[in-house]
Amino acid sequence: RKEVEQDPGPFNVPEGATVAFNCTYSNSASQSFFWYRQDCRKEPKLLMSVYSSGNEDGRFTAQLNRASQYISLLIRDSKLSDSATYLCVVIGAGSYQLTFGKGTKLSVIP
Amino acid sequence: NAGVTQTPKFQVLKTGQSMTLQCAQDMNHNSMYWYRQDPGMGLRLIYYSASEGTTDKGEVPNGYNVSRLNKREFSLRLESAAPSQTSVYFCASSAVRTDDGYTFGSGTRLTVV
Repeated sequence: RKEVEQDPGPFNVPEGATVAFNCTYSNSASQSFFWYRQDCRKEPKLLMSVYSSGNEDGRFTAQLNRASQYISLLIRDSKLSDSATYLCVVIGAGSYQLTFGKGTKLSVIP
Repeated sequence: NAGVTQTPKFQVLKTGQSMTLQCAQDMNHNSMYWYRQDPGMGLRLIYYSASEGTTDKGEVPNGYNVSRLNKREFSLRLESAAPSQTSVYFCASSAVRTDDGYTFGSGTRLTVV
């Protein structure tokens, strides 16, 4: 089983739609979780950290389910500018190395 | 602007040539990393440096060497480039506390022919 797994997509959604991505991780001792965004031919950039209680940043909501070992990202009212690849990232216990999923590609269509 | 600076941005090498990718950060971060990104493979850790004076292998270290020159700079060297090393290379840095994640450089696109 891969350490961090994501549906590669692509997810093609119309503007204004709500879209959700899931990510599963294999190491139950993982401690820190993030969503990164990567635009085409650019570097990954931190979108948001994921906390156990769930957290929200504007149109973006991240949730963590430790029992099932998955992380989710919900994007409401999608904008054209949300088109990118979203990377699920995990840090293992006692480590500071990020393990990346392969990413989910989102295309928001006018 | 504060951040991670990588040079060069693009490079073409012939098989067997050597080169060094440079990375510098001005955020006073302790830890620095080198990743490569290939289509369908995601980002894979090559080497990292938890703090000045230390370096360790990551997931795919073969064919690479690194130097943590000082707290700011972390270089990646290809001693004898191979076509399999054609990739996009990203340098990143992080503070001791990683809740803020990593900051990445803009990448180096390397082609080995």
